[in-house]
Amino acid sequence: DIQMTQSPSSLSASVGDRVTITCRASQGISNYLAWFQQKPGKAPKSLIYAASSLQSGVPSKFSGSGSGTDFTLTISSLQPEDFATYYCQQYDSFPFTFGPGTKVDIK
Amino acid sequence: QVQLVESGGGVVQPGRSLRLSCSASGFTFSTYGMHWVRQAPGKGLEWVAVISFDGSNIYYADSVKGRFTISRDNSKNTLYLQMNSLRAEDTAVYYCAKKTPGTQYAPPDYWGQGTLVTVSS
Repeated sequence: DIQMTQSPSSLSASVGDRVTITCRASQGISNYLAWFQQKPGKAPKSLIYAASSLQSGVPSKFSGSGSGTDFTLTISSLQPEDFATYYCQQYDSFPFTFGPGTKVDIK
Repeated sequence: QVQLVESGGGVVQPGRSLRLSCSASGFTFSTYGMHWVRQAPGKGLEWVAVISFDGSNIYYADSVKGRFTISRDNSKNTLYLQMNSLRAEDTAVYYCAKKTPGTQYAPPDYWGQGTLVTVSS
């Protein structure tokens, strides 16, 4: 199975900050990488697929990049509604696997 | 708008069975693959299974293979997850999710609100 890691596991940031989260796959997955946002007690929300394509309705402050084994999610200017946990997921091969998550909270 | 509503969760004893349902609306259900994803209390997301639009292709996580069965009824716009031989470690919120348009096994784009399954004696 492909193992996904994320760094950092948590971070504290201020409103307006630029935030970058890294996701790494244990083997190459081309661009078959998705990002999700989850707030406490809520269902996940899909943000990005194919490493850099925004899901419908997702604001452009979110962006994704990478290919192969190393990927990043960037939030250009953190807003109060962006404080949440972010997960990456590979869908290059079964079983699909998620990263452990990165919690973004308020500094 | 896309709506996915899970039901069927509850408390069940170890070794028993439970069937989850996911009622879909707001899109042409019969043309999209569907996922089940779960989340144990206080833990991260775990992908469980995927089924193609017509049910002809199915894949499972190793942790549920041989115990869980994903299926769908396109005439009822409903996705199912039959869970047998339940274990304490199956305790989780179970989400159904619609596949992103495009590649055959794309990730989720829309998610339901989830249903809680608790396996306990």
